[in-house]
Amino acid sequence: SYELTQPLSVSVALGQTARITCGGNNIGSKNVHWYQQKPGQAPVLVIYRDSNRPSGIPERFSGSNSGNTATLTISRAQAGDEADYYCQVWDSSKGVFGTGTKVTVL
Amino acid sequence: QVQLQESGPGLVKPSETLSLTCTVSGYSISSGYYWGWIRQPPGKGLEWIGSIYHSGSTYYNPSLKSRVTISVDTSKNQFSLKLSSVTAADTAVYYCARVNGDSYYYYMDVWGKGTTVTVSS
Repeated sequence: SYELTQPLSVSVALGQTARITCGGNNIGSKNVHWYQQKPGQAPVLVIYRDSNRPSGIPERFSGSNSGNTATLTISRAQAGDEADYYCQVWDSSKGVFGTGTKVTVL
Repeated sequence: QVQLQESGPGLVKPSETLSLTCTVSGYSISSGYYWGWIRQPPGKGLEWIGSIYHSGSTYYNPSLKSRVTISVDTSKNQFSLKLSSVTAADTAVYYCARVNGDSYYYYMDVWGKGTTVTVSS
């Protein structure tokens, strides 16, 4: 079955740029979606189809996807960006989530 | 705007069947979209369970398929999850969500707040 691998944690200084990777076999051929989940809350879609932002998501969130790695980039990181982030693809008629990355803003 | 709300027992005994319902407001299920279930065990990541179209067409996670049934009641604007023969490993927060996209790029764009289900005797 298809697997998506994310780093366990990423730290970023306030105001700097965080990059969260999502690795998968030839993931560049798939559409990747990203979710933000704060403690005790439901996930929120922040990027869909590699690089599209839903209404209400700040431009500071962007995404890219090529080869075996998709990346979620958070620019000008704020304290409110501290959360778990999950990538997700649709593969072989089922949803597949990444392992999740905890982002800490220092 | 579209809102989803999960409901059901918070405690289920081992070997019994877990039953949850998701009530959709602000949108008619009959109008389109798939509708899905996702769960998250305590301290762990997200796991996709399955999804259903208003016509009854379903997708299931192969790892759960033998125990899962998802159904839809368009008259009540609800869809439901049944998970049979539960064990402690099924203890999780269960989310319902609207599934957007197409057959090669589905994603969940609206989520319920989630409901905690504990499997214990």
